[in-house]
Amino acid sequence: GNSVTQMEGPVTLSEEAFLTINCTYTATGYPSLFWYVQYPGEGLQLLLKATKADDKGSNKGFEATYRKETTSFHLEKGSVQVSDSAVYFCALSGSGGYQKVTFGIGTKLQVIP
Amino acid sequence: DTAVSQTPKYLVTQMGNDKSIKCEQNLGHDTMYWYKQDSKKFLKIMFSYNNKELIINETVPNRFSPKSPDKAHLNLHINSLELGDSAVYFCASSQGINRGGQPQHFGDGTRLSIL
Repeated sequence: GNSVTQMEGPVTLSEEAFLTINCTYTATGYPSLFWYVQYPGEGLQLLLKATKADDKGSNKGFEATYRKETTSFHLEKGSVQVSDSAVYFCALSGSGGYQKVTFGIGTKLQVIP
Repeated sequence: DTAVSQTPKYLVTQMGNDKSIKCEQNLGHDTMYWYKQDSKKFLKIMFSYNNKELIINETVPNRFSPKSPDKAHLNLHINSLELGDSAVYFCASSQGINRGGQPQHFGDGTRLSIL
């Protein structure tokens, strides 16, 4: 079955530091890949997505590239802010017919001033 | 304005009671979901409905019974609540049963605490 492996947190960074959160996946066919963000006390919200190999998703300074050869979808941001403190979830949905979304375990990011 | 709304936001109750959580979406989506998030933030799918039809029913105790009166609403009823049911329950919706690239839209969650 499908699976998502995501680095465990927490990740603590100083403001303006570079962020990478690793995500690798296992799936048959051509899944779609997502990053969701969950701020304290809120539900998950879509941060970015990519639906085919070599696609780059980007939003709010965050980027991730769909790498089929390494089955990865790492999240990056060049300069984090305190307001980026949240839990980040990597996720995939399979191809071909209805497929439920498989979520990673979530990585908590804390940015300190 | 709210896209996916859940009520109540907080639910504190005694073990053995029965409770319901309601969810409504105004996005015009045809698929809705219930997820359970534990204290370590792990997210687990429980149920999914497409156009009022149950399409995902994970290994969940029979005490949990979803009900979808129409495609904009998905409720969750829980009988005989147990301590292990304490968690945050999220409702979500998306469009398209066979379109894997569609993102899910989540409500803000219902925080259930069993005393």
